[in-house]
Amino acid sequence: QVQLQESGPGLVKPSQTLSLTCTVSGGSITSGGYHWSWLRQHPGKGLEWIGYIYYSGNTYYNPSLKSRITISIDTSKNQFSLELTSVTAADTAVYYCASGVTPVVYWGPGTLVTVSS
Amino acid sequence: DIVMTQSPLSLSVTPGEPASISCRSSQSLLHSSGYNYLDWYLQKPGQSPQLLIYSGSNRASGVPDRFSGSGSGTDFTLKISRVEAEDAGVYYCMQGLQTLYTFGQGTKLEIK
Repeated sequence: QVQLQESGPGLVKPSQTLSLTCTVSGGSITSGGYHWSWLRQHPGKGLEWIGYIYYSGNTYYNPSLKSRITISIDTSKNQFSLELTSVTAADTAVYYCASGVTPVVYWGPGTLVTVSS
Repeated sequence: DIVMTQSPLSLSVTPGEPASISCRSSQSLLHSSGYNYLDWYLQKPGQSPQLLIYSGSNRASGVPDRFSGSGSGTDFTLKISRVEAEDAGVYYCMQGLQTLYTFGQGTKLEIK
């Protein structure tokens, strides 16, 4: 069974770049036909798609975040990553990495990222 | 964007009793393939969401058969035949037909 684990700083200053990595275990990131996704959940709120990447490198980004997002994949490390630039307090959320898009089959435990000076 | 609307937003159910959650989409989720691109997820307290139902009515691996999904087009329902204490949490529907994929607001299930 595929397992995912997010890692990265829990605190980011306003205007800086949020960088998270998702490590995939229990399967190769290039097999299974999965898209590798990032989602987030603002405190006490619902779920929001950030975007996803296929192992070939094709990406989809949420249009509302598109100008600030980069999702990349490192097949040699079985990892994929998220960069979100120019963060504000509105980017404070639990960030989830996941496999699949519809449906989202496996989820990481999530990591809280707080944007604050 | 496709807007997903769930009802009710909260419900309180006695163990052993049934529960039902409705999800409506602003556009039909029925693809030309015949599949409805509608999934259901449960987020238990302090956990990440877990997949319950995909394509409207297919239970994910390991999901108890007391959970069932039905509906087509724009109207969908998640039913729990006999609620158990472990079913507490927030239930979300999600449309996967059109990127940007979107979720409903969530329905909080409390066990009495």
